[in-house]
Amino acid sequence: DAGVIQSPRHEVTEMGQEVTLRCKPISGHDYLFWYRQTMMRGLELLIYFNNNVPIDDSGMPEDRFSAKMPNASFSTLKIQPSEPRDSAVYFCASRQGQRFQYGYTFGSGTRLTVV
Amino acid sequence: GENVEQHPSTLSVQEGDSAVIKCTYSDSASNYFPWYKQELGKRPQLIIDIRSNVGEKKDQRIAVTLNKTAKHFSLHITETQPEDSAVYFCAASLRSNDYKLSFGAGTTVTVRA
Repeated sequence: DAGVIQSPRHEVTEMGQEVTLRCKPISGHDYLFWYRQTMMRGLELLIYFNNNVPIDDSGMPEDRFSAKMPNASFSTLKIQPSEPRDSAVYFCASRQGQRFQYGYTFGSGTRLTVV
Repeated sequence: GENVEQHPSTLSVQEGDSAVIKCTYSDSASNYFPWYKQELGKRPQLIIDIRSNVGEKKDQRIAVTLNKTAKHFSLHITETQPEDSAVYFCAASLRSNDYKLSFGAGTTVTVRA
């Protein structure tokens, strides 16, 4: 299994530009999570999906952030317009709902820098 | 929501000594407690986990203990090695039938050779 695949690995963009982060969960995993990691706030859950349906987006910081999961193998996190304070590492994670003992599997993350 | 407190924030140990990281949680319905290790520039990786019906679990040099009454759990690393140097995160499920994890702030462990 290739694991959770995220792209791009690094993204540098100018303030005001739209940024789209991508994630492919592990095949068969029915839960997908988007986390943001910063030194100040640690790992923050932004949103999660179950069977492609958004379940809880209470962690999404503001309307500039949106996430979609059009099918079981793909999810996007979009920031429009981006701001310097959005700079962070964004992780996608997935898990199989019936086997919680295995916890989450994280992707390699996308390091976003907004200048 | 769930609040997971993790201590210490940094820990420096001599190679061969033990390291202990402690976490507390607030939601009494939490029933799953994983620990993740994150090496510099890499993804968090699950190293061990424990469910609420178990008090202790061990995997080679790593062990986790859980005290549900006191709502705290700990990670123990024995015979530490330089490759144990990393940031360690504890986490707790938010509700017994939910799948969200709330993470502690992390502990940076440095093993001195």
